[in-house]
Amino acid sequence: AQSVSQHNHHVILSEAASLELGCNYSYGGTVNLFWYVQYPGQHLQLLLKYFSGDPLVKGIKGFEAEFIKSKFSFNLRKPSVQWSDTAEYFCAVIPGYSSASKIIFGSGTRLSIRP
Amino acid sequence: EPEVTQTPSHQVTQMGQEVILRCVPISNHLYFYWYRQILGQKVEFLVSFYNNEISEKSEIFDDQFSVERPDGSNFTLKIRSTKLEDSAMYFCASNEGYAGQETQYFGPGTRLLVL
Repeated sequence: AQSVSQHNHHVILSEAASLELGCNYSYGGTVNLFWYVQYPGQHLQLLLKYFSGDPLVKGIKGFEAEFIKSKFSFNLRKPSVQWSDTAEYFCAVIPGYSSASKIIFGSGTRLSIRP
Repeated sequence: EPEVTQTPSHQVTQMGQEVILRCVPISNHLYFYWYRQILGQKVEFLVSFYNNEISEKSEIFDDQFSVERPDGSNFTLKIRSTKLEDSAMYFCASNEGYAGQETQYFGPGTRLLVL
């Protein structure tokens, strides 16, 4: 079955630390890849997405992610986190190109930033 | 920037009662979705809808659930006879439906509590 795995359930960092959140998916075909963020009390917001082309994609708020096809991975990175990055981060996959396709979400990583 | 909106933000109901959750997708979008997130668990796909028909539904979306687009703007999720385990946050999403534009935009959610 198609699935998305996020390796870290809860990550705690100090401000200015570098961040990398792992994400692996299980699907052998073409995929569209996403990272969504959910700030406390708010709804899911798109952080960045990969459809094709350059496997290093840049998103909002200084986040980036790298698609490594051979590893079925799409890890999220940020060089220097801020307290305002405290949120839950969801890796997500749409298998294939169909616009009707469902999103398959990972279980989420809760990021806590110490001021 | 256009947004997906949902009403109500919170709904409390008694087990066995019917509930209708409402969503207004982004106006030029063609594909509509419902997802849910039980507290502490991952976001799960329920159903996708296009051209006034269900495109895909999950195992969760049984006969107790139905969706409808009653007019040109609203997209509703009805739960006929709620169960305790239906308590969750329900998210509506929509996308434009064009190839290469599979990004789904999410609403703020409706928190449903079944007592």
